[in-house]
Amino acid sequence: GAVVSQHPSRVICKSGTSVKIECRSLDFQATTMFWYRQFPKQSLMLMATSNEGSKATYEQGVEKDKFLINHASLTLSTLTVTSAHPEDSSFYICSASSASRNQPQHFGDGTRLSIL
Amino acid sequence: AQSVTQPDIHITVSEGASLELRCNYSYGATPYLFWYVQSPGQGLQLLLKYFSGDTLVQGIKGFEAEFKRSQSSFNLRKPSVHWSDAAEYFCAGGGGSQGNLIFGKGTKLSVKP
Repeated sequence: GAVVSQHPSRVICKSGTSVKIECRSLDFQATTMFWYRQFPKQSLMLMATSNEGSKATYEQGVEKDKFLINHASLTLSTLTVTSAHPEDSSFYICSASSASRNQPQHFGDGTRLSIL
Repeated sequence: AQSVTQPDIHITVSEGASLELRCNYSYGATPYLFWYVQSPGQGLQLLLKYFSGDTLVQGIKGFEAEFKRSQSSFNLRKPSVHWSDAAEYFCAGGGGSQGNLIFGKGTKLSVKP
């Protein structure tokens, strides 16, 4: 089956640090990648949708200057949390989908971000 | 507005018992429907999907789901639950212009011995 690798799995860092999370599709070309945030015991909240080679589309209320997304290739998208603060602590999950609209999303294992 | 609803927040079943997790959707047209499972601290794994055709869909790990248009439902079933099935289950609807998904709030499944 399709495999999506997300790295790192866990990050603990000081307030003010910028953190980069990578999402890679290992065995298929992901024209679209999605970034989600999940709060404890809650569902996934879509943050942004990125298509390879173009700017990401952010959901309402998500700061694009805070959460920088780059989707430079068909197998890699990155999310950078800039100048992270404790309120940014969360579980971040990426997913990837191939070209067709009706293809399912395949999820990475998530990144637990803790800002001290 | 499009929405996916999972009415049950938490369900507990005995090992070996049957399971049904409910999912209702509200879409203008028939959406693409998915069930995902999430173990603690992990990402989501696709169990099964429905796009069109046969309304009874078979998935991995012995799960199946039935699409019922008249009830706007896509309930997940398993005839005999194993302790390893304890996890969070998410129903999702797709079909947006970029393939984005709308998730239900999830149902936590606990399995008692």
